[in-house]
Amino acid sequence: QVQLVESGGGVVQPGRSLRLSCAASGFTFSNYDMHWVRQAPGKGPEWVAVIWYDGSTKYYGDSVKGRFTVSRDNSKNTLFLQMNSLRTEDTAVYYCAKRAQAAWTYVGDWGQGTLVTVSS
Amino acid sequence: QSALTQPPSASGSPGQSVTISCTGSSSDVGGYNHVSWYQQHPGKTPKLIIYEVKNRPSGVPDRFSGSKSANTASLTVSGLQPEDEADYYCSSYTGSNSVLFGGGTKLTVL
Repeated sequence: QVQLVESGGGVVQPGRSLRLSCAASGFTFSNYDMHWVRQAPGKGPEWVAVIWYDGSTKYYGDSVKGRFTVSRDNSKNTLFLQMNSLRTEDTAVYYCAKRAQAAWTYVGDWGQGTLVTVSS
Repeated sequence: QSALTQPPSASGSPGQSVTISCTGSSSDVGGYNHVSWYQQHPGKTPKLIIYEVKNRPSGVPDRFSGSKSANTASLTVSGLQPEDEADYYCSSYTGSNSVLFGGGTKLTVL
């Protein structure tokens, strides 16, 4: 079955950088668009970014545009999120997720998440 | 962009029906049929239960239904069951190649 395992979270100071990874298995990773979605404690989900199955197209949420970069390595079945100029409001659990079958605008399978805490 | 607007809470007794609204604008909910709903139980990740306004993924009970009128989408849960108690989030494509979620509605089964 689909498995998505995020890593790389932790505590980081404002203004610093962090890189998240997501190891995918149980499906043909190179065939699927992939999302990053975050959820702050006690809050609703916030869409962060999507990357096309072949890496050719990337879209970002307004709050992270220009600071975060999504990428993928299809040879290693791995998704990445490079986060620069981190702010306290970026504190959240970050989920890697596979698009749903219907369209890229829907999120299907989710990983278990990795917590990012931005604090001085 | 601000989150889509949902009521913070809703409730109903077992067997009853409850409807949750999701209000956006002509730039998101009103402009596209890429509206979806997610169910999230405590400590779990969200689960897609409605996509393209009214379609259900395989395995989602037909007690869940979706609709849309102008800038407002709605999720109706019929024949409420105890396991329906959860947080529900709407989501919409925004037309600027991004996705927007709602603030969430906590559904309580009395």
